[in-house]
Amino acid sequence: NAGVTQTPKFRILKIGQSMTLQCTQDMNHNYMYWYRQDPGMGLKLIYYSVGAGITDKGEVPNGYNVSRSTTEDFPLRLELAAPSQTSVYFCASRGTARLNEQYFGPGTRLTVT
Amino acid sequence: EDQVTQSPEALRLQEGESSSLNCSYTVSGLRGLFWYRQDPGKGPEFLFTLYSAGEEKEKERLKATLTKKESFLHITAPKPEDSATYLCAVEDTGRRALTFGSGTRLQVQP
Repeated sequence: NAGVTQTPKFRILKIGQSMTLQCTQDMNHNYMYWYRQDPGMGLKLIYYSVGAGITDKGEVPNGYNVSRSTTEDFPLRLELAAPSQTSVYFCASRGTARLNEQYFGPGTRLTVT
Repeated sequence: EDQVTQSPEALRLQEGESSSLNCSYTVSGLRGLFWYRQDPGKGPEFLFTLYSAGEEKEKERLKATLTKKESFLHITAPKPEDSATYLCAVEDTGRRALTFGSGTRLQVQP
C-alpha cells in the first residue's frame, strides 16, 4: 500500500512552459486535493475533487487546471508557467467517512525561472 | 471566509521544557479541527482530529484541546525529535476541504 504518490519530485520550468504534476492514490479514496505551500507559509487549496468526473476550485485556482477521470488519479496541469507558481505542491486524499483525515503525498518542488 | 491563525510563528525550547502552541479559528460552522506535523521536505502527517468544544486527545508527549474559538497543542517534556512545523486546519460544514494556518516551527534543543 503506497498511499499517495507524486511525480516528479523536482522540476525546473522556464516561463511560459507547461507541465502536468501527477498524483495517484491506492486507498480507493473518493476525495482528492491539490495544495501549494510557499516558504514559511501554510497550505493553500488549489483544486479538489469529490469523485471521478467532479472537480471544484479552491482558494488559488488561477493558472491551473485539473481533471479526474479515475478514482486513483488526479493530475494538476500548469499552463504558461509564471514565476509566481514557484512553490511546493502537495496532493492529498481522504475517505468519505465523517472527518477522515487527509493523507498527503511527498510533494513536488517546482521552480519557474 | 474561514480563517486560521497560529501562534507563535516559531518556538525554541530546551529538551524537557513544556509549552503550548495556539490555533485561533473563524468558521461559519465547524465540522472539525485537525493538527498535522510536517518535517522539512515532507508532506504533512496527521496527528489529531477534534470535533467539539471541550474535547481533548493525546498522543505520546502531545495533547490537543479545543474551545469554540481556539485549539491548543500542548507539548510535555519535549525531545529533539519533536522538532517540526505543526499545522492547524479547520473544515467547515460547507465543503469537504481544509483551511490551514501558517504553522508553528518548533525547535527542541538537547
